[in-house]
Amino acid sequence: QKEVEQNSGPLSVPEGAIASLNCTYSDRGSQSFFWYRQYSGKSPELIMSIYSNGDKEDGRFTAQLNKASQYVSLLIRDSQPSDSATYLCAVNQAGTALIFGKGTTLSVSS
Amino acid sequence: DAGVIQSPRHEVTEMGQEVTLRCKPISGHDYLFWYRQTMMRGLELLIYFNNNVPIDDSGMPEDRFSAKMPNASFSTLKIQPSEPRDSAVYFCASSFTSGGIVDEQFFGPGTRLTVL
Repeated sequence: QKEVEQNSGPLSVPEGAIASLNCTYSDRGSQSFFWYRQYSGKSPELIMSIYSNGDKEDGRFTAQLNKASQYVSLLIRDSQPSDSATYLCAVNQAGTALIFGKGTTLSVSS
Repeated sequence: DAGVIQSPRHEVTEMGQEVTLRCKPISGHDYLFWYRQTMMRGLELLIYFNNNVPIDDSGMPEDRFSAKMPNASFSTLKIQPSEPRDSAVYFCASSFTSGGIVDEQFFGPGTRLTVL
């Protein structure tokens, strides 16, 4: 069974620090990788997508992909209290639906 | 773009009643997904459609659940009869195909279902 694993947390970091969120997946055929952010009581919203090995940066966010290790990570630099949310990792391969992890709860204290 | 639209936003019903959840995907998207989210099980895929055709319904928990997509702009998820363990937030999401790969999904606001 295809699985996506995340540490449920909570991950607590002080304001201004770097938050590091990790995700592993079981299906070596996975081709697309996504990070969604979900605030309490809201729907998931896409913050990053990555398709090839290496790093992808977007503002304060950096996604890292290592297909050989079946590992995806999300770094949030200069963390802000507004980043406090649950972060969902999702992966898929061609023609299939996304498989989501259960999410990591991030708490940024001011 | 109005995004994915779901209705109702909240539904409270009694055990045994029929519940119908509705979804309007983003125009031009060819995939539609129904998810259920609970604290215990996280975000679970129930069923998804491609070009209005159901592709995989293996996540539908029981025969009490059914979903339809009569056209590209409308889908329903029906629970009949409903049970208290069906209480959850139900999300609809839509996506488009890019290079044969199902790309990022856009989620609706969800329907919070409470079955008493």
